[in-house]
Amino acid sequence: SQQGEEDPQALSIQEGENATMNCSYKTSINNLQWYRQNSGRGLVHLILIRSNEREKHSGRLRVTLDTSKKSSSLLITASRAADTASYFCATGGGGSYIPTFGRGTSLIVHP
Amino acid sequence: GAGVSQSPSNKVTEKGKDVELRCDPISGHTALYWYRQSLGQGLEFLIYFQGNSAPDKSGLPSDRFSAERTGGSVSTLTIQRTQQEDSAVYLCASRKQGTSGNTIYFGEGSWLTVV
Repeated sequence: SQQGEEDPQALSIQEGENATMNCSYKTSINNLQWYRQNSGRGLVHLILIRSNEREKHSGRLRVTLDTSKKSSSLLITASRAADTASYFCATGGGGSYIPTFGRGTSLIVHP
Repeated sequence: GAGVSQSPSNKVTEKGKDVELRCDPISGHTALYWYRQSLGQGLEFLIYFQGNSAPDKSGLPSDRFSAERTGGSVSTLTIQRTQQEDSAVYLCASRKQGTSGNTIYFGEGSWLTVV
């Protein structure tokens, strides 16, 4: 079964706007990671947040984690057309070394 | 190599034929994963290799699917008697042994089409 589930399934915004994607999961985790996928090919790791962290930044990316609600959000600020891709969250932990992925959020940024 | 390498990039096969997909992980990475992604869907875990331990095969969908990893490096995913529902992108990933929080690195995938 897929542990992480992203929301919304699809998001369409204009260049310059912020994009927010959410991820919910069901069981305890050690960490949560966000990945990006272009054109149905390989995934690229964006950022990892550990269970004892609440917020993390990397460039235009901001990730939050609320373990009490079992949810995470990924914020992309000042979006660009090149940010158009699918974004996945992956959870790992509880002794599992097998990250499980959600169905992803398809982001389209219009120039 | 510099990254995870997969071959072939694309494979079209007839229903009933066997196919082999190859993955060459990043040098020094002892963990290797195979995932499957159908069109517009999330990633479905198939199998996990870690060092010399017995692989976790819990995600393989049927006994037509098998995988091996030779010498702790290159892995081959074999699908026997392919069916149309096997059409998907097959993604391989590797991870450096260490903490479970280490990043996994993906290859570009092998797109399989069964006609």
